[in-house]
Amino acid sequence: EPEVTQTPSHQVTQMGQEVILRCVPISNHLYFYWYRQILGQKVEFLVSFYNNEISEKSEIFDDQFSVERPDGSNFTLKIRSTKLEDSAMYFCASKRGGNTIYFGEGSWLTVV
Amino acid sequence: DQQVKQNSPSLSVQEGRISILNCDYTNSMFDYFLWYKKYPAEGPTFLISISSIKDKNEDGRFTVFLNKSAKHLSLHIVPSQPGDSAVYFCAAFIRSGKSTFGDGTTLTVKP
Repeated sequence: EPEVTQTPSHQVTQMGQEVILRCVPISNHLYFYWYRQILGQKVEFLVSFYNNEISEKSEIFDDQFSVERPDGSNFTLKIRSTKLEDSAMYFCASKRGGNTIYFGEGSWLTVV
Repeated sequence: DQQVKQNSPSLSVQEGRISILNCDYTNSMFDYFLWYKKYPAEGPTFLISISSIKDKNEDGRFTVFLNKSAKHLSLHIVPSQPGDSAVYFCAAFIRSGKSTFGDGTTLTVKP
């Protein structure tokens, strides 16, 4: 069964460093998303992406965040200058259309 | 402003019985709702969705009911199985993809 894959599964980074989280959505999907879940808290929407542009973003998704679909298969989330509070599990998700959104297994980011 | 609420943090049911998980929302502009199951340190697994124009959707053991006037949805699992034990999230979406998740309900199905 096709699935959304994310790399790395776990990354530890120094505060202030840039991080890129990578996602390979399901191949014929058109809509892409990033979410995060801080330990012990709910899943939070970050951004949605369609037709090579951001369609919606949350208040969390400030200037230090960016997304890109560089080559038609990968979908990346970049955090420019990480802060301690960016430590979370980051989930990528995708859908073809309709209402079924598939999530990846997540990338656990620890900022120290 | 918590737009999506799951008021029961936990639910315990006996194997074979019905599990009913509830979710309330405040924003009438949501276009569709999804239920997810999640294990610790794993990604959410899609279970079932419902459009805001429907009041019921069924898929195997899972049925979701939407009461728009009450801004309430529920997930029914019948019969419940021990493998259903997990955290269940409801999530509300608007067309642009922006979504709000509930806090989750931990379901325990006892053999």
